[in-house]
Amino acid sequence: SQQGEEDPQALSIQEGENATMNCSYKTSINNLQWYRQNSGRGLVHLILIRSNEREKHSGRLRVTLDTSKKSSSLLITASRAADTASYFCATDALWAQKLVFGQGTRLTINP
Amino acid sequence: ETGVTQTPRHLVMGMTNKKSLKCEQHLGHNAMYWYKQSAKKPLELMFVYNFKEQTENNSVPSRFSPECPNSSHLFLHLHTLQPEDSALYLCASSQESGGGSNQPQHFGDGTRLSIL
Repeated sequence: SQQGEEDPQALSIQEGENATMNCSYKTSINNLQWYRQNSGRGLVHLILIRSNEREKHSGRLRVTLDTSKKSSSLLITASRAADTASYFCATDALWAQKLVFGQGTRLTINP
Repeated sequence: ETGVTQTPRHLVMGMTNKKSLKCEQHLGHNAMYWYKQSAKKPLELMFVYNFKEQTENNSVPSRFSPECPNSSHLFLHLHTLQPEDSALYLCASSQESGGGSNQPQHFGDGTRLSIL
């Protein structure tokens, strides 16, 4: 299956520390996207990285993509309590008409 | 403000009831999606509409019936649901669907559905 798998499933860190989440997938992709979901809310798009890109930044977010290893990582620097949420990667396969989401990483930032 | 509005936010219904979920997007997008989110499971795509035409039905039971009267509105009609259908139902939209479109999806806040 195309499903992305996030690692770890849960992560708890202190405010101000950096948080790193990883995503692995199985087949060739056109792009990979990261989303955030706060409790009781919908998903919010964070960043999209194309298959020909290796790194992308947006504010305190840094995403890397290694297509040879079929993996991506999301780094949140200088974490804040408001970053507490679940984070999902989603892959957009070349042949598919849909995004396929992983199970997510639940991130808790402790004050 | 999300740009994608779902109503109702919460719905409790019996297994014999008929109800509908509504989604409206104000983003000028051409593709709309229904997803099911259950505890401890990945987000499951249910249906995709592109320019009002259904392009994906991900083996969804017939007790779920989608309707897309125009590119801004999407409905999910529910009847004779089962307890395992209790979940958060999310609507999303994007400029267009399809692999290679490089389009992010914009989500509503969902309808929390509970089947008694």
